[in-house]
Amino acid sequence: SQQGEEDPQALSIQEGENATMNCSYKTSINNLQWYRQNSGRGLVHLILIRSNEREKHSGRLRVTLDTSKKSSSLLITASRAADTASYFCATAEANDYKLSFGAGTTVTVRA
Amino acid sequence: ETGVTQTPRHLVMGMTNKKSLKCEQHLGHNAMYWYKQSAKKPLELMFVYNFKEQTENNSVPSRFSPECPNSSHLFLHLHTLQPEDSALYLCASSPGLAGLSVEQFFGPGTRLTVL
Repeated sequence: SQQGEEDPQALSIQEGENATMNCSYKTSINNLQWYRQNSGRGLVHLILIRSNEREKHSGRLRVTLDTSKKSSSLLITASRAADTASYFCATAEANDYKLSFGAGTTVTVRA
Repeated sequence: ETGVTQTPRHLVMGMTNKKSLKCEQHLGHNAMYWYKQSAKKPLELMFVYNFKEQTENNSVPSRFSPECPNSSHLFLHLHTLQPEDSALYLCASSPGLAGLSVEQFFGPGTRLTVL
């Protein structure tokens, strides 16, 4: 099955700055989800965006989806030290119930 | 944390040992999953259960044996493991099968080290 691929692999920013990471995928999807994982812990769901949606917001998070380019972006505004984590995109293909995860983007927010 | 608990949190075992990982969800969900997370690799889906029935075995070696006695509990029985099986094993649940516009809820994981 296909996977989302996140870019960049790692990102280091100053507290208060914005962080942007991208996800690309290969085939048609039903939805795309973003998850956060703090070091060595379980994943926490952030946002789900459906294939017929282009943008969603949740607090300081903004997700876009461009199905023509098969890509999504996650923007974290006004970053905080607590945002330090790995971020994963997961795609759900059309007609399939499984989620395929990428290898993640590691974000470090410096105080 | 998120309604999905896993025990133990850490496990060290020899290659000849037999151990079990336990997952319990308190969310009333019908689908449960086992994932393997190795360093710098994407999460690997191992098994999927929906209403206690296994719907997915992602070519997992037989030294990993899942068990789902009811919709709230999921086990992963381990025997004759290899050092390359060392990883973080994550359990997740969802109201139904993920992909149908639902999110998955993850447990904190079991860090497994095989010596």
